[in-house]
Amino acid sequence: DTEVTQTPKHLVMGMTNKKSLKCEQHMGHRAMYWYKQKAKKPPELMFVYSYEKLSINESVPSRFSPECPNSSLLNLHLHALQPEDSALYLCASSPSAPGNTIYFGEGSWLTVV
Amino acid sequence: QKEVEQNSGPLSVPEGAIASLNCTYSDRGSQSFFWYRQYSGKSPELIMFIYSNGDKEDGRFTAQLNKASQYVSLLIRDSQPSDSATYLCAVAMDSSYKLIFGSGTRLLVRP
Repeated sequence: DTEVTQTPKHLVMGMTNKKSLKCEQHMGHRAMYWYKQKAKKPPELMFVYSYEKLSINESVPSRFSPECPNSSLLNLHLHALQPEDSALYLCASSPSAPGNTIYFGEGSWLTVV
Repeated sequence: QKEVEQNSGPLSVPEGAIASLNCTYSDRGSQSFFWYRQYSGKSPELIMFIYSNGDKEDGRFTAQLNKASQYVSLLIRDSQPSDSATYLCAVAMDSSYKLIFGSGTRLLVRP
């Protein structure tokens, strides 16, 4: 069982809504990630936080806003999304150093209507 | 452009056979190599990681790494229908948090 917990499992939102995806890990990992995965495609990196600081932003549109309140929590705030943003959003974590093994949560299925 | 290449499959093997999944990568600076299994509608699950040249075995799974030839493979012995999934190869450099994923190979194990 994954030790990275994501909520909600499923989310349907309108294009004018504001919602958030939440992620929590208790493995003491110091790097946390958001990935986006479309059907039949590999995961695409969106953001990386290292020691609670934003380390990588893969040129993600500003309608996606990450937040890392502490070393165990990671949020993704969603606003004014488009239908093409519908996807599986995966949170992941890894120990502190780059190149360490990344462990994924179960994901949040997002549908934008 | 750093790339990781996998045959998309499907790779079809009978139950009990050895399934061999291959992956090549373009960046010689790559240091860490991972295999993830992903069932349809689920998130990727780590199967194996390997850092050094040679073989690494874990139960029915063996990861093989050849840095000179820039390939990494995953062997699944005594394949079971429950092994039917997409297998993602991922590569990382020690200097970066970014994993480069291949497009995945779909494995089908026939009963």
